[in-house]
Amino acid sequence: SQKIEQNSEALNIQEGKTATLTCNYTNYSPAYLQWYRQDPGRGPVFLLLIRENEKEKRKERLKVTFDTTLKQSLFHITASQPADSATYLCALGLIYNQGGKLIFGQGTELSVKP
Amino acid sequence: GAVVSQHPSRVICKSGTSVKIECRSLDFQATTMFWYRQFPKQSLMLMATSNEGSKATYEQGVEKDKFLINHASLTLSTLTVTSAHPEDSSFYICSARARDGSLDEQYFGPGTRLTVT
Repeated sequence: SQKIEQNSEALNIQEGKTATLTCNYTNYSPAYLQWYRQDPGRGPVFLLLIRENEKEKRKERLKVTFDTTLKQSLFHITASQPADSATYLCALGLIYNQGGKLIFGQGTELSVKP
Repeated sequence: GAVVSQHPSRVICKSGTSVKIECRSLDFQATTMFWYRQFPKQSLMLMATSNEGSKATYEQGVEKDKFLINHASLTLSTLTVTSAHPEDSSFYICSARARDGSLDEQYFGPGTRLTVT
């Protein structure tokens, strides 16, 4: 069956450390993968996109990797800050003849303590 | 740029009534809009995809007669929850893809919290 799974537990880290979130999937062939941030009661906010032929992408303190053999993406936040506390969602972008739909993971709640 | 709004942000309705949620792209034209539902601590689940001027495509398990979607213009899509029941209480989020944008770009609205009493 098709599945997309993120860190099952909430992640608690100390300010200044690197947070690493995982996203694993099975029986999907995504054309791309995206990471979003969601705060309570709000819609998702786009952070990064990585395509199937890319290994790594960076944006400021964020880094995402994509391994289509392992069917896994890792999302890193370096020098984390309390303001980074939120739920982070990964989303698989399906191939374009499926309308470019996004399939979301359940999210990982990150808490950064000062 | 690329702002999507939703109205209302919160709505409480009685069981058996219908409620309409609007999704607007404020500064771009959206050929495609998506409607998602999110229960507490759960993922966003795609309900339907709507293209301007045509019927919406619903995901498996979503009742099209219960969740009516109208995408009448390039900047507005509406979701009407008909004969709402308490189990329809959820967070409804729309997203929009720009007419001249990439297929992999979706802009999300802030969501609408529906509570059915």
